[in-house]
Amino acid sequence: DAGVIQSPRHEVTEMGQEVTLRCKPISGHDYLFWYRQTMMRGLELLIYFNNNVPIDDSGMPEDRFSAKMPNASFSTLKIQPSEPRDSAVYFCASSLGGGQQFFGPGTRLTVL
Amino acid sequence: DAKTTQPPSMDCAEGRAANLPCNHSTISGNEYVYWYRQIHSQGPQYIIHGLKNNETNEMASLIITEDRKSSTLILPHATLRDTAVYYCIVRVGFWGGNTGKLIFGQGTTLQVKP
Repeated sequence: DAGVIQSPRHEVTEMGQEVTLRCKPISGHDYLFWYRQTMMRGLELLIYFNNNVPIDDSGMPEDRFSAKMPNASFSTLKIQPSEPRDSAVYFCASSLGGGQQFFGPGTRLTVL
Repeated sequence: DAKTTQPPSMDCAEGRAANLPCNHSTISGNEYVYWYRQIHSQGPQYIIHGLKNNETNEMASLIITEDRKSSTLILPHATLRDTAVYYCIVRVGFWGGNTGKLIFGQGTTLQVKP
């Protein structure tokens, strides 16, 4: 099992640019979570999906952030336009039912 | 979900048992105690969870007090690779209607020393 796959692993962009982060969950898992980690705020849940449907997006910081899950094997987190304060490590996780969550390696985003 | 309190940091000698405490005095009857850890620059990793009975797996043991207001994660023979941030999280079980949210606190940074 390849585990949760995220791409890219590192992203450097300039303020105002669109950023798209990608995630492939573990096959068969029905929950997918997006987290953000910063030194100041720690690890925060942004949004999660169940069976490809967004369930709770209360953690999404503002309208510049959007997430989609077009099918069971792929999800994206998009930031448009990006700002320097969006710099963080973004983790994707998946789980079967409400069980343990398996995290991906993360995408380190730097917005200049 | 109930809030947890953990010491910010701990040290442990390699080969010795590491005992990481967690207070969760406001835990409800249907809430589980979960432990995750995060090794530097990696995604969090599930360790163990329990409701009221002590639990053991290949990674660790979880001891929950009888009143469930606190718990201890035990790594029986700590190695240098166990150096990480350890998170204690309380959440409702899946069948309680909760949909799987994990709320991470600041955790305990465990430093295993040779």
